Amino acid sequence: TQLLEQSPQFLSIQEGENLTVYCNSSSVFSSLQWYRQEPGEGPVLLVTVVTGGEVKKLKRLTFQFGDARKDSSLHITAAQPGDTGLYLCAGEGSNYKLTFGKGTLLTVNP
Amino acid sequence: EPEVTQTPSHQVTQMGQEVILRCVPISNHLYFYWYRQILGQKVEFLVSFYNNEISEKSEIFDDQFSVERPDGSNFTLKIRSTKLEDSAMYFCASRDQRANTGELFFGEGSRLTVL
Repeated sequence: TQLLEQSPQFLSIQEGENLTVYCNSSSVFSSLQWYRQEPGEGPVLLVTVVTGGEVKKLKRLTFQFGDARKDSSLHITAAQPGDTGLYLCAGEGSNYKLTFGKGTLLTVNP
Repeated sequence: EPEVTQTPSHQVTQMGQEVILRCVPISNHLYFYWYRQILGQKVEFLVSFYNNEISEKSEIFDDQFSVERPDGSNFTLKIRSTKLEDSAMYFCASRDQRANTGELFFGEGSRLTVL
């Protein structure tokens, strides 16, 4: 069974601070995706990383895939209240099935 | 922008009743999925569907669950006899067959409450 561990589970910071959240597994994934989920809504895809060591940037968000394709990180620079939400990582296994982590609930206080 | 739509947004039912959750995937997508999320827990895979048949299902997807694509646009999840532990958000997702990674597009979910 493929498992993804996300840390921290909860993170509360002030506007303007930087943060990093982590997604770790003992399994190798074909790709790893990051989603953001608002309360009562479905996950919304932020990015997909495919190649070991790959780094992708989405405005103030930087995503990195580990060299061994087992882990990933999401770094947010100068966080804003609009960044508040649940950040989920999901690893792609066979048949394009996704295994999700429990998520990091980020709160950015003004 | 194309999106996955789900109905109903919220359904309350009595234990033992049948429930059908409906999804309209993005029109040119051919891979369809159901996931569920129990309150406070992680998103869990239920079933994947391609070419009018189930391609993979999880342990959660037992005989009480079934999926169907009754026409060219709808994709349904049926729970025959609901249990209290079926209470969850159910998310439908679809995937573009032209993508070489498993990027999924999720609907906003159907909240099922079993009393």
